[in-house]
Amino acid sequence: KAGVTQTPRYLIKTRGQQVTLSCSPISGHRSVSWYQQTPGQGLQFLFEYFSETQRNKGNFPGRFSGRQFSNSRSEMNVSTLELGDSALYLCASSFYRDFTGELFFGEGSRLTVL
Amino acid sequence: GDSVTQMEGPVTLSEEAFLTINCTYTATGYPSLFWYVQYPGEGLQLLLKATKADDKGSNKGFEATYRKETTSFHLEKGSVQVSDSAVYFCALQMNTGFQKLVFGTGTRLLVSP
Repeated sequence: KAGVTQTPRYLIKTRGQQVTLSCSPISGHRSVSWYQQTPGQGLQFLFEYFSETQRNKGNFPGRFSGRQFSNSRSEMNVSTLELGDSALYLCASSFYRDFTGELFFGEGSRLTVL
Repeated sequence: GDSVTQMEGPVTLSEEAFLTINCTYTATGYPSLFWYVQYPGEGLQLLLKATKADDKGSNKGFEATYRKETTSFHLEKGSVQVSDSAVYFCALQMNTGFQKLVFGTGTRLLVSP
């Protein structure tokens, strides 16, 4: 079955703009998480959603937001982009509400902020 | 807060060499522990996991044992292959019902023929 799909794969923005990234989880998975990966900070947790509800949030400023739709697809938005937001943004999905199995990761959306 | 510390990379080995990648953790409770692998151009994949002390996770010839007394979860493989070249991430998850993973910084493994 199809894996986690993230779009777009690559994008370039300028400072001050906003960006929306999309994630389609594996069919049947209702839990979606987002992570930011940078060379300096590594992988950092952004949000976790289950059944359209944000269950957990990492230590990121309010410029970072997300949501989940009734079909479990998720989007994250970053407003007023800064150079430091350049990163690989990874989405992961899971069948379970509570973590009893593995997370399945997409290939990521690579954002470059100029 | 909870954290994971991994050895710095890159780790460079010849094919069939023995591999150890060290991982230690700090947590207020008893987390589940994971190794994820990221092959070039691909997303993260779960390699193995252990959910309680003394558990051994294993997959594709890789092994790691959950050591509560040393708060460690070192990754080992007896004979690496060129195809094992990737970035390896140690991670923990607190058993709170949330899916949040806390990752180490990753260790790049380069295996030459």
